[in-house]
Amino acid sequence: QKEVEQNSGPLSVPEGAIASLNCTYSDRGSQSFFWYRQYSGKSPELIMSIYSNGDKEDGRFTAQLNKASQYVSLLIRDSQPSDSATYLCAVNEASGGSYIPTFGRGTSLIVHP
Amino acid sequence: DTAVSQTPKYLVTQMGNDKSIKCEQNLGHDTMYWYKQDSKKFLKIMFSYNNKELIINETVPNRFSPKSPDKAHLNLHINSLELGDSAVYFCASSQGAWIPNTGELFFGEGSRLTVL
Repeated sequence: QKEVEQNSGPLSVPEGAIASLNCTYSDRGSQSFFWYRQYSGKSPELIMSIYSNGDKEDGRFTAQLNKASQYVSLLIRDSQPSDSATYLCAVNEASGGSYIPTFGRGTSLIVHP
Repeated sequence: DTAVSQTPKYLVTQMGNDKSIKCEQNLGHDTMYWYKQDSKKFLKIMFSYNNKELIINETVPNRFSPKSPDKAHLNLHINSLELGDSAVYFCASSQGAWIPNTGELFFGEGSRLTVL
């Protein structure tokens, strides 16, 4: 069974620190990888997508992909209390000609002042 | 204008009842989804439709029946509700599920179902 694994946390970091969130996936054919942020009681929103090996930076966020190790991570620099949320890793997995986003169980991040 | 809208936002009902959730997207996307999120935040795919055609039907009880009258609408009907159906149901859309290097999902606000 294809799986996307994340540490559920909570991950607690002080304000201003770097938060590192990790995700592994089982389907070697996966081609697209996403990080969503979900605040309590709200719907998930996309914050990063990455399609090729290496790093992709967007503001304080950096996504890292290593397809050989089947590993994708998200770094949040200068963490702020407003970053406190659940971060969901999603992987596009091929299923009968379609690519369906499969989610991990999410990592809860707490940024304390 | 809300890109993906679903109604109702809250449903509280008794076991054995039937309920429906409606979803509409105005993004012009071809693919729509229903996800179920349990109390531990696990977001699990239930169904996916591409241009009104069912493309994904995960292991979901027959009591759940999706219907897509057109590519902008995807509804979910649930028969004979059970306690374990209590969850938040999210509708989402994407540009097209056949495109390998895409997959950004746009989510509705969610419908919180509580079965008593």
